[in-house]
Amino acid sequence: ILNVEQSPQSLHVQEGDSTNFTCSFPSSNFYALHWYRWETAKSPEALFVMTLNGDEKKKGRISATLNTKEGYSYLYIKGSQPEDSATYLCANSMNRDDKIIFGKGTRLHILP
Amino acid sequence: DAGVIQSPRHEVTEMGQEVTLRCKPISGHNSLFWYRQTMMRGLELLIYFNNNVPIDDSGMPEDRFSAKMPNASFSTLKIQPSEPRDSAVYFCASSLVGTGGQPQHFGDGTRLSIL
Repeated sequence: ILNVEQSPQSLHVQEGDSTNFTCSFPSSNFYALHWYRWETAKSPEALFVMTLNGDEKKKGRISATLNTKEGYSYLYIKGSQPEDSATYLCANSMNRDDKIIFGKGTRLHILP
Repeated sequence: DAGVIQSPRHEVTEMGQEVTLRCKPISGHNSLFWYRQTMMRGLELLIYFNNNVPIDDSGMPEDRFSAKMPNASFSTLKIQPSEPRDSAVYFCASSLVGTGGQPQHFGDGTRLSIL
């Protein structure tokens, strides 16, 4: 994998259901993996920054895991609510002082 | 605390005109980024600065685009002359240096329309 890839591109989930989606990134020269939430007509907002293999972070009903050896991260949302509707972006960097490269995002729609 | 401040929020101008977008990063942040959001390419990095010095401008589309950071609290992105294909939302973001492991904080963006 040469770029940051996210799947699926779009996802519809019933309110109350749990869901997850994937970010794949180059596993060589890894430094950090970022997750952002981007609501329509707003700006991206940082959720997590993870650096260690096996790392798991949680913020309320949202959590993320990291596997640096195989180059993927999962974002989980438990008990989806309408306010979770947004685009979720992941981004990776290869060293401490480098830029981060964004994936194209997963657009999540929560159905009432 | 004030977040990243961008101005203007909206800009509509005719092709051929000069456009200047402005950004004030969060106080104490020493990395600043300019991004462009389009339907086709998503969020693409144009240029970023560490301690007011441009580090990577490989994302700047062409010579019509230029960016400056004269001091730690102000940056501009200029397009001259502007073209309809430059229409997009432009975001500025800042972070602490060591940006690879620090979250970026985004401004509200400037929605640019070139007629």
